[in-house]
Amino acid sequence: AQSVTQLDSHVSVSEGTPVLLRCNYSSSYSPSLFWYVQHPNKGLQLLLKYTSAATLVKGINGFEAEFKKSETSFHLTKPSAHMSDAAEYFCVVSDSGSQGNLIFGKGTKLSVKP
Amino acid sequence: DTGVSQDPRHKITKRGQNVTFRCDPISEHNRLYWYRQTLGQGPEFLTYFQNEAQLEKSRLLSDRFSAERPKGSFSTLEIQRTEQGDSAMYLCASSSARQRGDHGYTFGSGTRLTVV
Repeated sequence: AQSVTQLDSHVSVSEGTPVLLRCNYSSSYSPSLFWYVQHPNKGLQLLLKYTSAATLVKGINGFEAEFKKSETSFHLTKPSAHMSDAAEYFCVVSDSGSQGNLIFGKGTKLSVKP
Repeated sequence: DTGVSQDPRHKITKRGQNVTFRCDPISEHNRLYWYRQTLGQGPEFLTYFQNEAQLEKSRLLSDRFSAERPKGSFSTLEIQRTEQGDSAMYLCASSSARQRGDHGYTFGSGTRLTVV
């Protein structure tokens, strides 16, 4: 069965410093992986997705993630945090046992200090 | 049609009452999904429809839960005899079957249910 583990429940950075949100996955096949962001009182928004093309995936708002099969990781990074990046971030794997339904991690709350 | 709409945004109900939520997907999307998100957790899959057919249900969907999509457009999720453990955010998403494997989910803002 597929699963994702987000290694930090809360990450705090200063504005202008790099962001690293860690995610490890478990899958017996080549997975489709995603990062979603959830701002308070707003819907989940897709940041980026990996579907077995390039291992370095660029997303919206300057975020990117690198798929590393040897480490079973899919960490999310951004070179310089902005106040508007403060939100909950979810690492997600597509469930191969169903019609493409999604399996979410528990989330990482990102705080950005001025 | 700018996105997935959910109604109501918030619902407070007494334990034992029935509640119904509505989801209006993006009009050209033929797939519709329901997820539940409890505090401090990621969303968990409940069920999904392709057009009007309910094709998959999670074991999380107890007998007290029922979902419909009668005309393949909007969907309703009903919870009967609500319990305090049903308190959660209920999220709806839609996608096009053409995007299968490429994944084109659009999520709504959710309905937050509080059972008192």
